[in-house]
Amino acid sequence: QVQLVQSGSELKKPGASVKVSCKASGYTFTSYALNWVRQAPGQGLEWMGWINTNTGNPTYAQGFSGRCVFSLDTSVSTAYLQISSLKAEDTAVYYCARDLYYFDYWGQGTLVTVSS
Amino acid sequence: SYVLTQPPSVSVAPGKTARITCGGNNIGSKSVHWYQQKPGQAPVLVIYYDRDRPSGIPERFSGSNSGNTATLTISRVEAGDEADYYCQVWDSSSDHRVFGGGTKLTVL
Repeated sequence: QVQLVQSGSELKKPGASVKVSCKASGYTFTSYALNWVRQAPGQGLEWMGWINTNTGNPTYAQGFSGRCVFSLDTSVSTAYLQISSLKAEDTAVYYCARDLYYFDYWGQGTLVTVSS
Repeated sequence: SYVLTQPPSVSVAPGKTARITCGGNNIGSKSVHWYQQKPGQAPVLVIYYDRDRPSGIPERFSGSNSGNTATLTISRVEAGDEADYYCQVWDSSSDHRVFGGGTKLTVL
């Protein structure tokens, strides 16, 4: 069965970086793009962008192209989200989701907390 | 960028019908997808391509899309349907995915 399993919760200080992983199983990794979605505490879903798992080419939503980087390791069917220069407002749950222009499978979410 | 507008909240009594709208400029020309999110859980796809249901989603969930409004309809609402619901489209002009702001469904 299709699964997206994300890495565990992170507590980071302002200015640090974080790397969240999303490991896919149950399907051919390079057959579907992967998206990243942010959900700040008590807020709605916010699309961050997607990565083409064939080419590695990322597309970022407005506001996420500066400090966010999407990457892949196709040898282990894993996508990564790295956020640098973390700020308190980056505190959120980050989800990966498989793409068919809609999101049919989601990871369980990774809570990133930024606090001094 | 394309904007989707949802009412912040909808309330309905058990057994009644809930309708959650998603407004957008000529949204009827796009495919709309809907997600249910319960507290502490990842979103779950409940409707895709305006009106298709993934396997495992009850027939009580249905969708429609025309003009400037798409609608998620939940018939015979149950307490377990209480959740946040989000609409989403693919904006072909930018190749971006877009979410609505979400609607909290309260079962009275």
